[in-house]
Amino acid sequence: RKEVEQDPGPFNVPEGATVAFNCTYSNSASQSFFWYRQDCRKEPKLLMSVYSSGNEDGRFTAQLNRASQYISLLIRDSKLSDSATYLCVVNRGGADGLTFGKGTHLIIQP
Amino acid sequence: NAGVTQTPKFRILKIGQSMTLQCAQDMNHNYMYWYRQDPGMGLKLIYYSVGAGITDKGEVPNGYNVSRSTTEDFPLRLELAAPSQTSVYFCASSYLRGGQETQYFGPGTRLLVL
Repeated sequence: RKEVEQDPGPFNVPEGATVAFNCTYSNSASQSFFWYRQDCRKEPKLLMSVYSSGNEDGRFTAQLNRASQYISLLIRDSKLSDSATYLCVVNRGGADGLTFGKGTHLIIQP
Repeated sequence: NAGVTQTPKFRILKIGQSMTLQCAQDMNHNYMYWYRQDPGMGLKLIYYSVGAGITDKGEVPNGYNVSRSTTEDFPLRLELAAPSQTSVYFCASSYLRGGQETQYFGPGTRLLVL
């Protein structure tokens, strides 16, 4: 099983719709979790951290299920500007940084 | 506050040539990282550093070297370029806070080895 696994998509979604995608991780000792956003030919940027109790930031909601080892991201009222690749990222807690999934490609269509 | 800067933005190398990718950050972060991202793939860690004078290998260190003489700078050296090193290279830095770790990325260096 890969360390961090995501459906690569693409997800083609009409503007205004709600879209959700999941990510699974293999290391049960993982300590912290994030969603990063990467636009085409740009660097990844932090979208939001994912907390055990779930957290919301505007139209974005992130959930963590430690028992099943998955993380989800929900985007409500999607905008054209949400089109990007969303990277699921896990920190095992060591000094060697983060483990990145390959990303889920999202295309919001007008 | 420029964040993380990388130079050059783009470079073409011939097989066997060497080059240094520069990375600098002005946020006084202790941790710095080098990743490579191949098309359609996730980022893979090449090397990282937890502070000046300390470096360690990541997942894919072969063919690369690093140094960290100052907190600000973390250059990546390719000694004998190979076509397999064609990739986009991202440098990142972070200030580790109790396990919650936001990494800040530079804009990347696109490298083509022919």
